[in-house]
Amino acid sequence: DAGVTQSPTHLIKTRGQQVTLRCSPKSGHDTVSWYQQALGQGPQFIFQYYEEEERQRGNFPDRFSGHQFPNYSSELNVNALLLGDSALYLCASSLAGTVGDTQYFGPGTRLTVL
Amino acid sequence: DAKTTQPPSMDCAEGRAANLPCNHSTISGNEYVYWYRQIHSQGPQYIIHGLKNNETNEMASLIITEDRKSSTLILPHATLRDTAVYYCIVRLSNTGFQKLVFGTGTRLLVSP
Repeated sequence: DAGVTQSPTHLIKTRGQQVTLRCSPKSGHDTVSWYQQALGQGPQFIFQYYEEEERQRGNFPDRFSGHQFPNYSSELNVNALLLGDSALYLCASSLAGTVGDTQYFGPGTRLTVL
Repeated sequence: DAKTTQPPSMDCAEGRAANLPCNHSTISGNEYVYWYRQIHSQGPQYIIHGLKNNETNEMASLIITEDRKSSTLILPHATLRDTAVYYCIVRLSNTGFQKLVFGTGTRLLVSP
């Protein structure tokens, strides 16, 4: 049973650049959520995708955007990178329509902005 | 906007039970209690969740008080690999795209 996978593992970018992070959900899951975790903090919710649409969004600027594909995989895009965007980006998948719909996390992508 | 309160850190001797408390005094009747843990620089790992009854799985037990205002996660025989940050989260039990709101968690250190 394949778990949640994310790519790349690590990424280094410079200020002003754009980045795309990728996530494949756990087998059988159809919903993908993205979280940002700054050093020493708990993960913060960015947004959630279901049926290729953004269903819920946290308090993040429009520089953060996403996409979900028909195979349920997802991308997180960040434009005009700032130093403060350096963080661990986590993807979590779940199955909509299940009571409690437990979210399972991937290993994360460590983004460093120089 | 985390709705839970946890001690910042706890210590436990290897082989002993680790009891991690969580206060959620404003929990509503349709909110579950979830526990995740995060080992350094890895993604959070789901441990267990419950609504009102005590729950047990292969990883841990969850004890929820009768008034549901607090709970305890029990790792019956802690090992060094259980050293991690443990997060207690409350969230709605319906199926409508509920985000997880993480607090600062409890840093558990298991020592030999």
